[in-house]
Amino acid sequence: EPEVTQTPSHQVTQMGQEVILRCVPISNHLYFYWYRQILGQKVEFLVSFYNNEISEKSEIFDDQFSVERPDGSNFTLKIRSTKLEDSAMYFCASTFDGRESYEQYFGPGTRLTVT
Amino acid sequence: QKEVEQNSGPLSVPEGAIASLNCTYSDRGSQSFFWYRQYSGKSPELIMFIYSNGDKEDGRFTAQLNKASQYVSLLIRDSQPSDSATYLCAVNSNTDKLIFGTGTRLQVFP
Repeated sequence: EPEVTQTPSHQVTQMGQEVILRCVPISNHLYFYWYRQILGQKVEFLVSFYNNEISEKSEIFDDQFSVERPDGSNFTLKIRSTKLEDSAMYFCASTFDGRESYEQYFGPGTRLTVT
Repeated sequence: QKEVEQNSGPLSVPEGAIASLNCTYSDRGSQSFFWYRQYSGKSPELIMFIYSNGDKEDGRFTAQLNKASQYVSLLIRDSQPSDSATYLCAVNSNTDKLIFGTGTRLQVFP
């Protein structure tokens, strides 16, 4: 069964450093998302991406964040200068059709620890 | 602010019983409703989705939607210890982003 994959599973970085989180969405999916979950809190939407551009972003997704689809398979989230409060699980998700009625499938997540 | 509310639990049920999980949402324009299961330290796993008022059954799971009351629920029949997890309610409201509740922790004891 096709699935979303993410690398690395765990990333430890120092405050102020840049990190890139990688995702390979399900191959025939067209809409891609990043969510994050701070320990003990709810899953929060960060950004959605379709046709090589951002469709929607949340207030969390400020200028320190960027997303890219550098090739036909990868979808990346970059945090330019990490802060302690960026420590969280980051989940990539994808769906075939971004209309409201299509379900999103999540990858296993990357645990980001900023020290 | 569009909100999705869930009782955090834990909800404890004996093995073999029916577990009933509830969720309310604030945006009347919400169109699609999803239940995800999340084991500790893992990612959300989609188990049910429902778009129309009424019931939708899939194996041991039944999702129920009442748009007039802005209420969606998940019933798990014949609960098993392996069902012990946090159940996340998620809603689409006019865009494709998911708005999640905080989740209800379910404990099924033998």
